[in-house]
Amino acid sequence: DAKTTQPTSMDCAEGRAANLPCNHSTISGNEYVYWYRQIHSQGPQYIIHGLKNNETNEMASLIITEDRKSSTLILPHATLRDTAVYYCIVRVSGTYKYIFGTGTRLKVLA
Amino acid sequence: GAVVSQHPSWVICKSGTSVKIECRSLDFQATTMFWYRQFPKQSLMLMATSNEGSKATYEQGVEKDKFLINHASLTLSTLTVTSAHPEDSSFYICSARGARGDYNEQFFGPGTRLTVL
Repeated sequence: DAKTTQPTSMDCAEGRAANLPCNHSTISGNEYVYWYRQIHSQGPQYIIHGLKNNETNEMASLIITEDRKSSTLILPHATLRDTAVYYCIVRVSGTYKYIFGTGTRLKVLA
Repeated sequence: GAVVSQHPSWVICKSGTSVKIECRSLDFQATTMFWYRQFPKQSLMLMATSNEGSKATYEQGVEKDKFLINHASLTLSTLTVTSAHPEDSSFYICSARGARGDYNEQFFGPGTRLTVL
């Protein structure tokens, strides 16, 4: 079973920040949180990952709560091309396997 | 870096035939490759994990004799759907994970759409 829960869908206005939440309350101390997105009919694209500290790269920022039970992916200035399904994943402990949940379908509106 | 390719990108075949899908890591060595299946409007479902030079490990409910996986080198894994039937029509996606701490995250291929008539 997926170890994460996310809202089914979200809308965001173009140019505004998109904040996508994820709950992972059963995460273990050494498990990373990964974020991917899947644009229609393509393979998932890696966005960012983190363990404890907040992370930022050219695509997004990842905010992880102090207790590590939830995180938020932030797309600072959403564009129409950011419309996709966003998956938050915690790797299966002791393996490199991902179990995908249902993800959040983000629609960026013009 | 970290590019994964799949071939073919789409394939149509007749019921009862076998189809081979290739997954290649183009610019890194992949000790582990994963195969997923995705039905329309659903999430990705992990089918199997393959490590170079050893037998694949299949997830519960996935028939290993129907979905043959070979991982003969550090850059190539193949999935063969044997005796395909219409219910095997799906989007098949592979991913690769690098060795020795590099590219520990999975990088995904673009997917292969299989249609069985």
